[in-house]
Amino acid sequence: QVQLQESGPGLVKPSQTLSLTCTVSGDSISNNSYYWTWIRQPAGKGLDWIGRIYASGSTNYNPSLKNRVTISVDTSKNQFSLKLNSVTAADTAVFYCARVNYGSGSLDYWGQGTLVTVSS
Amino acid sequence: DIQMTQSPSSLSASVGDRVTITCRASQSISNFLNWYHQKPGKAPKLLIYAASSLQSGVPSRFSGSGSGTDFTLTISSLQPEDFATYYCQQSYSNPLTFGGGTKVEIK
Repeated sequence: QVQLQESGPGLVKPSQTLSLTCTVSGDSISNNSYYWTWIRQPAGKGLDWIGRIYASGSTNYNPSLKNRVTISVDTSKNQFSLKLNSVTAADTAVFYCARVNYGSGSLDYWGQGTLVTVSS
Repeated sequence: DIQMTQSPSSLSASVGDRVTITCRASQSISNFLNWYHQKPGKAPKLLIYAASSLQSGVPSRFSGSGSGTDFTLTISSLQPEDFATYYCQQSYSNPLTFGGGTKVEIK
């Protein structure tokens, strides 16, 4: 059974860097049939795609984040990570990590989500 | 970016009803369209991928259709556990984008 688990601080101060890690179990992050992604959801709102990473380390990001985001992978730990810098209150959201089927682009397994609040 | 527009934004229905949700893309996305539902406090769950393929383990009362710009999710007989918010998502091009959601509530 594939499982993903987000971890990281639940509270970040404005202008600082939000850092989250997603630990994958039940599958190898090096499986070429999939890639790995981060999604966020502000309270009461819809889903926003942040970016994705392949096991090779190749990445794509949402241009709306204007170069504030970095996603990295650690295949030895079967983890991938998100860094979002210069955060503001508008970045407060539930953050999800997910596995994406390479062929269909569907997100077939998700983490439970973690709430990150940006506040001083 | 490809804009995904869902309708309606909410609907009220009874157990046993047939429910249809539509999703329109701002440009052709072939069949790169996926459907999810999300219950409060939970992560979204994949229902349909590639417009019409049922994800493993998802009940057969869920079905999807469409190609190009217009897509439909149908629940043939609404069950109590189906009351949730439904999202479409295009995977044709980056950035991946989602529809605004359709909240299915109990009548």
